[in-house]
Amino acid sequence: NAGVMQNPRHLVRRRGQEARLRCSPMKGHSHVYWYRQLPEEGLKFMVYLQKENIIDESGMPKERFSAEFPKEGPSILRIQQVVRGDSAAYFCASSPPSEFGSPLHFGNGTRLTVT
Amino acid sequence: EDQVTQSPEALRLQEGESSSLNCSYTVSGLRGLFWYRQDPGKGPEFLFTLYSAGEEKEKERLKATLTKKESFLHITAPKPEDSATYLCAVQPGNQFYFGTGTSLTVIP
Repeated sequence: NAGVMQNPRHLVRRRGQEARLRCSPMKGHSHVYWYRQLPEEGLKFMVYLQKENIIDESGMPKERFSAEFPKEGPSILRIQQVVRGDSAAYFCASSPPSEFGSPLHFGNGTRLTVT
Repeated sequence: EDQVTQSPEALRLQEGESSSLNCSYTVSGLRGLFWYRQDPGKGPEFLFTLYSAGEEKEKERLKATLTKKESFLHITAPKPEDSATYLCAVQPGNQFYFGTGTSLTVIP
């Protein structure tokens, strides 16, 4: 499967625990975006990364949230001390290392439930 | 402020009844407008990219068009399997801004 792979598909955490969401981009893609989606709402941009660099994190809360895309391995979105309001679907998307105008290709998301 | 608005929010069509979905945008310096289809429990699936006013793209029963202020997704003779949420996104820079989508239901 050459598509964007996200895991886990479903994640349940209790309030105060940590959530780690993983994303492996499509082969040949070096740009990764993370989005959050709530029911009846659109996709909200969180962060844009290239290998070993955070390019734009303007959509990510400054506290408890962090993201990385190391030289080797998947991109990770980390949420510390989760709260009920963090429950949502988190989508990762990737694009090739080309100029602007290339579409994003999405994974099937991780659905986080905080109890 | 960059903004994307899709209408209608929901659309119910009889099988074979053609219609159009609208995506209006206000961005400075459009680099691309994208249409996606999203099925429940899945990630958005890429359909089309449009770059400049007057451009059109077609795929099976779908045709996307672009003007300076909006894009239309025309659905000709839809089938039940076309039922999904259709999302529009614009890229003015690094970011992609998404609309909230049109939920399409095609009744057999």
